[in-house]
Amino acid sequence: DADVTQTPRNRITKTGKRIMLECSQTKGHDRMYWYRQDPGLGLRLIYYSFDVKDINKGEISDGYSVSRQAQAKFSLSLESAIPNQTALYFCATGRGGSEAFFGQGTRLTVV
Amino acid sequence: AQSVAQPEDQVNVAEGNPLTVKCTYSVSGNPYLFWYVQYPNRGLQFLLKYITGDNLVKGSYGFEAEFNKSQTSFHLKKPSALVSDSALYFCAVRDFGDNFNKFYFGSGTKLNVKP
Repeated sequence: DADVTQTPRNRITKTGKRIMLECSQTKGHDRMYWYRQDPGLGLRLIYYSFDVKDINKGEISDGYSVSRQAQAKFSLSLESAIPNQTALYFCATGRGGSEAFFGQGTRLTVV
Repeated sequence: AQSVAQPEDQVNVAEGNPLTVKCTYSVSGNPYLFWYVQYPNRGLQFLLKYITGDNLVKGSYGFEAEFNKSQTSFHLKKPSALVSDSALYFCAVRDFGDNFNKFYFGSGTKLNVKP
């Protein structure tokens, strides 16, 4: 099984709908991140969390919310999806000064 | 502000030739530097990192990178490219001055290795 698992892998949704992307990890890391990837823009940080009671906004948090349900689970929600939120979304985990470990990604299309 | 720049959107190299993918960074404190590779429809895979010590670090699949503090660069290199190295490469930095809170990524460089 993958160390960082994202569900769903692909999703098509309509404008205005609420959608949740889920992430779970078995690495035991305290830090979890949500990134968005767009062509030519690299990865941009949406939210990050150091533990269940610690949630921080990243550089592009508008239109998104997150929930850290447990150390191993970190979900991203789009309250009212819009077409420019169409992107590839990645969850990642990390610890201290180590490298980040990424999930396989969720390809979200908002029509 | 912290940032990472990958000045080349695409790098083309013939199989067997050496390759270099460039990365420069800007941080307020001491950097931790990383390279990742992304194959189509896959997540990012860790290649190598510089934390401290020897400026030349070796990583997976024969890749290496050289940390140059004066030029604030961390270029990825490989002596002999393979067609299977064709992928999207990302440079990333964690900032000691930022308490290593976040990873900052470059925009990515697409490496094309031709037979």
